[in-house]
Amino acid sequence: EAGVTQSPTHLIKTRGQQATLRCSPISGHTSVYWYQQALGLGLQFLLWYDEGEERNRGNFPPRFSGRQFPNYSSELNVNALELEDSALYLCASSLDGAQWVTEAFFGQGTRLTVV
Amino acid sequence: RKEVEQDPGPFNVPEGATVAFNCTYSNSASQSFFWYRQDCRKEPKLLMSVYSSGNEDGRFTAQLNRASQYISLLIRDSKLSDSATYLCGGYSTLTFGKGTMLLVSP
Repeated sequence: EAGVTQSPTHLIKTRGQQATLRCSPISGHTSVYWYQQALGLGLQFLLWYDEGEERNRGNFPPRFSGRQFPNYSSELNVNALELEDSALYLCASSLDGAQWVTEAFFGQGTRLTVV
Repeated sequence: RKEVEQDPGPFNVPEGATVAFNCTYSNSASQSFFWYRQDCRKEPKLLMSVYSSGNEDGRFTAQLNRASQYISLLIRDSKLSDSATYLCGGYSTLTFGKGTMLLVSP
């Protein structure tokens, strides 16, 4: 069974551009979570989607946005890129986030570099 | 106060040693917790979930102390391959601590 897949694995953008990152959850999982991990820092929660709806949002500016599609895959969009946005962006999926007890599995991440 | 806090380490231990990490949480409503392992430049991988007082899997034991609001991870007979960063957190918000780095040396 395929795990969580993310694309692209690496992305290089210039300051001010927009970046789109994609995530396909494990088959049967309805919840998708996005995290940012800057070098030397911990995982910072960005967004949580479940059943197509945004359920929670971390402390990030509005230029970080996303959506979840009917097949439960998800996109993370980052507008007006800044140098500080350079980080590993990780997506995780779980069976049902609303139950609070389901385990989450991560994709390999997209490494975004803003130059 | 951050929702989840961990000692960043690094913890330097020789092979065969026993090492323990603690993680404190502030959200008393959290019912279940987890430990993930993250190797350098890789994604976190689930190590153990903790739903009640504790969980044991081979050399790894996780314990939950609700009264004191902390979770611990004990690793016995450390192996070189245990070198990684260990992340704890609560399922209620999938919030992680910053991680504790473990370095096991020969």
